[in-house]
Amino acid sequence: QVQLVESGGGVVQPGGSLRLSCAASGFTFSRFGMHWVRQAPGKGLEWVAFIRYDGSYSYYADSVKGRFTLSRDNSKNTLYLQMNSLRPEDTAFYYCARAYGAELDQWGQGTLVTVTS
Amino acid sequence: EVVLTQSPGTLSLSPGERATLSCRASQSVSTSNVAWYQHKPGQAPRLLIYSTSSRATGIPDRFSGSGSGTDFTLTISRLDPEDFAVYYCQHYDTSPPEFTFGPGTKVDIK
Repeated sequence: QVQLVESGGGVVQPGGSLRLSCAASGFTFSRFGMHWVRQAPGKGLEWVAFIRYDGSYSYYADSVKGRFTLSRDNSKNTLYLQMNSLRPEDTAFYYCARAYGAELDQWGQGTLVTVTS
Repeated sequence: EVVLTQSPGTLSLSPGERATLSCRASQSVSTSNVAWYQHKPGQAPRLLIYSTSSRATGIPDRFSGSGSGTDFTLTISRLDPEDFAVYYCQHYDTSPPEFTFGPGTKVDIK
């Protein structure tokens, strides 16, 4: 059974940093691209970033480009999102999701990031 | 950049009724790159439909998708109490790779 478990969320001040993790199990992690998607309070889903199955390249939404970095450790079946220069508008639930072609077919339960002074 | 709009914003219906949700793209897109998701509060989003009309694994056949060009539709033939949720359409653009969600349609109980 596919499982994606996010961790690392919390409260951070504006300008601060946080690293999210997503532990994957139940499938061959190294064969799949992975995404992060977020949902701000009262808002809809917003795609954040994608990383190729082998980590060779990644893509970011304009809203996080230059501040967030996506990486993965296929030996540990873990995806990471390093978030720097955080802003109040980055406050959201962050979900990791498995890429399957053009869609996201498996999702985690999410971890909450709150950026506040 | 493809922009997705969804209508209506909220759909108030009773169990057993038919729900028709619309997703419109700002330009013509490939049917292979349109998907639909269901999201309930406190839960992980769930893939319902991919490639416009293919049901994901385990999705009941009361859910169906259709469309082409700029107009796409998710239909729930008979609403079950567990179907009250927010529904999002999503598009994947290949060049550059970009994933876009629509703003969502909330289906609530009338």
